[in-house]
Amino acid sequence: EDQVTQSPEALRLQEGESSSLNCSYTVSGLRGLFWYRQDPGKGPEFLFTLYSAGEEKEKERLKATLTKKESFLHITAPKPEDSATYLCAVQGYSGAGSYQLTFGKGTKLSVIP
Amino acid sequence: GAVVSQHPSWVICKSGTSVKIECRSLDFQATTMFWYRQFPKQSLMLMATSNEGSKATYEQGVEKDKFLINHASLTLSTLTVTSAHPEDSSFYICSASGTDLQETQYFGPGTRLLVL
Repeated sequence: EDQVTQSPEALRLQEGESSSLNCSYTVSGLRGLFWYRQDPGKGPEFLFTLYSAGEEKEKERLKATLTKKESFLHITAPKPEDSATYLCAVQGYSGAGSYQLTFGKGTKLSVIP
Repeated sequence: GAVVSQHPSWVICKSGTSVKIECRSLDFQATTMFWYRQFPKQSLMLMATSNEGSKATYEQGVEKDKFLINHASLTLSTLTVTSAHPEDSSFYICSASGTDLQETQYFGPGTRLLVL
């Protein structure tokens, strides 16, 4: 069974204070690891997909990295508008359902002006 | 690109009535659509997976007769909550994936259901 654990559950940062969110996973054959951003009362917004260890992707102040056991979402000089819950999900090759995602519980990020 | 819409965005109904929620992919063909449920401060719980023209595959513990899913076309899936009860109140979110999107799921904005 695929499992995803995100830490910390909540993170408060001052504006401009860089930090990282962690996503640890176990999966029998990784097809892809996904990062989403979710604002309150809205559906998740796609950020990145990572496919293999060593891969990195960047988008504005966000950078996602992947190893064989975990992924990090680095936030550089965050702004208040980066406040949201960040969800990590894995897609494995096992199981009857194709393309299914297993989600972590998320990290709620608050950036204080 | 890769926009998914849901309708309605919120609905309030009386206990015992049925509610239909629509999920549409606006600019791509969704070969697979997913329905999730999310409780406050919890992550997404997959309810079912549907492929166009096929019966939906439900996750363990999800009642097929209560949550009817129809994926009639490559751009539309519907979730009908039959004989809704207060415990069905939740945030329902759909997602869609297409073969041209490298299997990434794109999510709709969600539907807030309140059953009185």
